[in-house]
Amino acid sequence: TQLLEQSPQFLSIQEGENLTVYCNSSSVFSSLQWYRQEPGEGPVLLVTVVTGGEVKKLKRLTFQFGDARKDSSLHITAAQPGDTGLYLCAGESYNQGGKLIFGQGTELSVKP
Amino acid sequence: NAGVTQTPKFQVLKTGQSMTLQCAQDMNHNSMYWYRQDPGMGLRLIYYSASEGTTDKGEVPNGYNVSRLNKREFSLRLESAAPSQTSVYFCASSLRTANTGELFFGEGSRLTVL
Repeated sequence: TQLLEQSPQFLSIQEGENLTVYCNSSSVFSSLQWYRQEPGEGPVLLVTVVTGGEVKKLKRLTFQFGDARKDSSLHITAAQPGDTGLYLCAGESYNQGGKLIFGQGTELSVKP
Repeated sequence: NAGVTQTPKFQVLKTGQSMTLQCAQDMNHNSMYWYRQDPGMGLRLIYYSASEGTTDKGEVPNGYNVSRLNKREFSLRLESAAPSQTSVYFCASSLRTANTGELFFGEGSRLTVL
């Protein structure tokens, strides 16, 4: 069974602080996606990384895919209250017909 | 643009009752999925349909059945609900281009089984 371990599960920080969320597995993934979910809504895709070592930036968010394609990280610079939400990583394995395996999620709370 | 529409949004059942969650997408996507979300466990795949006419089990299929009625609609049925099926259920669809299949999710259906 493929597993994606996300850490930390909960994170409460002050506005302006930096943070990093990790997503780790012993399995190799063909691609890895990061989603953000707000209360009462479904997850929304933030980014997809497909190449080992790839780094993508989305404003204050930086996403990295590990060289071995087994892990990924999400770094937020100068967090704002609007960043509050549940962050989910999801990996897609080769030849799995589009099935995504999700991590447990990181609940982020950014206080003003 | 409706995207992915799920009904109902809330439902309370008694143990042993049956119900069907409906899902429809208007994006002409080939693949559709049903996930359940429980605290601290992320999203777990129940069933998916890679294309019209096909369905496959996911990680937690026991106690559920699905029907891909046509390209737009994918329903999830609980034949005899159990308290362990209390959860938030999400339907999703994907166009599936190359190996980067972004999932588009509905707003979720919150089910409580007493």
